[in-house]
Amino acid sequence: NAGVMQNPRHLVRRRGQEARLRCSPMKGHSHVYWYRQLPEEGLKFMVYLQKENIIDESGMPKERFSAEFPKEGPSILRIQQVVRGDSAAYFCASSPPVPDPEAFFGQGTRLTVV
Amino acid sequence: KNEVEQSPQNLTAQEGEFITINCSYSVGISALHWLQQHPGGGIVSLFMLSSGKKKHGRLIATINIQEKHSSLHITASHPRDSAVYICAVRSLGGNEKLTFGTGTRLTIIP
Repeated sequence: NAGVMQNPRHLVRRRGQEARLRCSPMKGHSHVYWYRQLPEEGLKFMVYLQKENIIDESGMPKERFSAEFPKEGPSILRIQQVVRGDSAAYFCASSPPVPDPEAFFGQGTRLTVV
Repeated sequence: KNEVEQSPQNLTAQEGEFITINCSYSVGISALHWLQQHPGGGIVSLFMLSSGKKKHGRLIATINIQEKHSSLHITASHPRDSAVYICAVRSLGGNEKLTFGTGTRLTIIP
């Protein structure tokens, strides 16, 4: 049973380009969470998704950021028109649909905007 | 004031020392997690607690729900324990998302 898989591990984008970050949850996990870790800062919640549904996006910036978790395939975090301030590590976690689940994290995608 | 506070922010100790990292939180929680992050690395879940105490190898985690406080202990510390240790809580009625402390950077010197 592979762990939570994120790709790419490192992503470099020029200002104004789009960034797509992928997260494949562990087998049997239908809940996905995206967190962002800015340089020298703690982790912050961005969005919580279940298959085909956004449950809580209270941590997502209102513009340029979107997330999806389709019926088939990985969850995608999409950042349009990236700016230098988007440079961060983006972590995905997944959990099974049980009360108070254990959280399993991916290795993260380190986005650098140049 | 952050919902989750950790102390100390940085900790340097000699190999073999007993290590304690503290976490205090201000909200009602359904669970508390201790996580480990190596530099440039991913995040590993060490413990999930809702009451009492858990032990795994040289690591022990305790929680006092009434006092809203948890501790992570490392016995016989080793240089490979050097990492950032992060406390995270799942708030009651909080949609299962985690709220994180800022982490404790632990360095164990051989």
